[in-house]
Amino acid sequence: DAEITQSPRHKITETGRQVTLACHQTWNHNNMFWYRQDLGHGLRLIHYSYGVHDTNKGEVSDGYSVSRSNTEDLPLTLESAASSQTSVYFCASSELSSGWAGELFFGEGSRLTVL
Amino acid sequence: SQKIEQNSEALNIQEGKTATLTCNYTNYSPAYLQWYRQDPGRGPVFLLLIRENEKEKRKERLKVTFDTTLKQSLFHITASQPADSATYLCALDHFGNEKLTFGTGTRLTIIP
Repeated sequence: DAEITQSPRHKITETGRQVTLACHQTWNHNNMFWYRQDLGHGLRLIHYSYGVHDTNKGEVSDGYSVSRSNTEDLPLTLESAASSQTSVYFCASSELSSGWAGELFFGEGSRLTVL
Repeated sequence: SQKIEQNSEALNIQEGKTATLTCNYTNYSPAYLQWYRQDPGRGPVFLLLIRENEKEKRKERLKVTFDTTLKQSLFHITASQPADSATYLCALDHFGNEKLTFGTGTRLTIIP
């Protein structure tokens, strides 16, 4: 069965360290998204990609970067982790659908704690 | 600015009754709206999508309405069961945007 997997599921790191969260999907979807979820804010979009070599900033992109070198993967990098980036991160994917985001398929999340 | 509000953080409903959740939005063009279910420690799971030219959509015990005049969607679960307990998220998109904006969610508890 097709799926979307995130790793690691849990990570504790220190302020200033670089962290990369992996996202791998086997749906063959063109669209991929990274969200963070915090109490009181819901899911907020960090970065997204509509295909290989395409990346775009979402509403909370500062301090994060992504790259899309193939269809299956969209790793999220925190260049220098800050305590404000402690959160649960969700990766999602959807089919290419002209003009619409489509139904999102989410991973199980990565809980990141920055000390 | 664009805003999506789910006006109840938490909702407790007796088993067997109908649970109704509300999603209001402002400053969006006519759009389509999705509802997701999220269990603790898990990622959201898609439930239903309704387009701006559709007034109502049903799937088993679920019903969604979409009123673009009121800028509101209602999500109903009929004959509610304890297994329906979860957080429910609404999400909105408008044509050409190709990305979803989510509300903060409503935590629904069905009491046996």
